[in-house]
Amino acid sequence: DTEVTQTPKHLVMGMTNKKSLKCEQHMGHRAMYWYKQKAKKPPELMFVYSYEKLSINESVPSRFSPECPNSSLLNLHLHALQPEDSALYLCASSQDKGKRGGYEQYFGPGTRLTVT
Amino acid sequence: AQSVAQPEDQVNVAEGNPLTVKCTYSVSGNPYLFWYVQYPNRGLQFLLKYITGDNLVKGSYGFEAEFNKSQTSFHLKKPSALVSDSALYFCAVREFSGGYNKLIFGAGTRLAVHP
Repeated sequence: DTEVTQTPKHLVMGMTNKKSLKCEQHMGHRAMYWYKQKAKKPPELMFVYSYEKLSINESVPSRFSPECPNSSLLNLHLHALQPEDSALYLCASSQDKGKRGGYEQYFGPGTRLTVT
Repeated sequence: AQSVAQPEDQVNVAEGNPLTVKCTYSVSGNPYLFWYVQYPNRGLQFLLKYITGDNLVKGSYGFEAEFNKSQTSFHLKKPSALVSDSALYFCAVREFSGGYNKLIFGAGTRLAVHP
């Protein structure tokens, strides 16, 4: 099973709302990722969790707050977003065994976020 | 820093003809290269990867890619295109930075297969 699930599929929120995106994988992967993707552009890495610890934060604004409750779950908490934050948010996971790891990432279907 | 380039924004091919989607890379050390496909309003699907070994890598849905070290290329190929292959294709390279792995994506190439 190479499935990564994400909920919700679509989300519309106002600039004063607080919402959360959820991601789950049951492949035993210890690395999980959040990406932001604008239309017809490549995914942009936001955060990397390795063994449930935040490893990489690509200078993402604090209105995005990641959380990794356990090795299978990854959340992205959203607060006071701007219209330019509207995008497809993708979660991914991989085995990620350090420098020698050439493991592929498996992506979820994404959450289409619209900020009004 | 590692990088990949996809020189074509769009590739058009007739159904049944062979297709090639181009990717060149710039890395320090040995490259770990990947191809992904994205259908509209979907996540990225892994197609294939090159880590080491044979220069011709076979992947999902009949796709293959040829690693060429002298030309620093990793072109994606398929002998006979299907209309259902129409999608956005991304080449990516692994970057190991600060003890962690990241994927660096190319800009993407839109493949349009015409009946």
